[in-house]
Amino acid sequence: DVKVTQSSRYLVKRTGEKVFLECVQDMDHENMFWYRQDPGLGLRLIYFSYDVKMKEKGDIPEGYSVSREKKERFSLILESASTNQTSMYLCASSSGTGVYSGANVLTFGAGSRLTVL
Amino acid sequence: DQQVKQNSPSLSVQEGRISILNCDYTNSMFDYFLWYKKYPAEGPTFLISISSIKDKNEDGRFTVFLNKSAKHLSLHIVPSQPGDSAVYFCAASRSNTGNQFYFGTGTSLTVIP
Repeated sequence: DVKVTQSSRYLVKRTGEKVFLECVQDMDHENMFWYRQDPGLGLRLIYFSYDVKMKEKGDIPEGYSVSREKKERFSLILESASTNQTSMYLCASSSGTGVYSGANVLTFGAGSRLTVL
Repeated sequence: DQQVKQNSPSLSVQEGRISILNCDYTNSMFDYFLWYKKYPAEGPTFLISISSIKDKNEDGRFTVFLNKSAKHLSLHIVPSQPGDSAVYFCAASRSNTGNQFYFGTGTSLTVIP
């Protein structure tokens, strides 16, 4: 019954390493999102994508990039990990395009807990 | 600037009593609101939603109230159960622009048996 799968639940990386977080959804959703969750800050949007090869910056894109080569897969990339990127990363997807797609529910993955030492 | 605010970081309620979680927003263009529930080490799961054409939506023990003039929504859980202990996030969007949801900072609910 798993619909949004994040490949790694827990990762530990060193400062300066390149980090890939993978997310796959099996619901044929058009829209995919990457959030990070930090205590006292809630969920903050990093990037989202509404179509293959399309991407839009969210509220905190600095230090991150994304890739969406296939509809079902959305990857978050940390080019050079830093300690302030230690966080819980949440991938989500939603259906719909254009008008009223904002009225669709986000389905989240289980999250990836990243620690950067 | 936080467009969706949950001013109570935590709430404790006795089992069987009502839990009321509050959420305020600043953007009057928001017209669709959701509540999510999150357990530790899991992703948020959708709980209930409401569009701005309504002022109340009910689903079992969960009811969401929307006061557009006050830019305020609340989630009522009656009766509260220990399994309801989790972090609750409210979120808002502009449905006709699509895609971007704004989340509050969350309220940690503890239901005491």
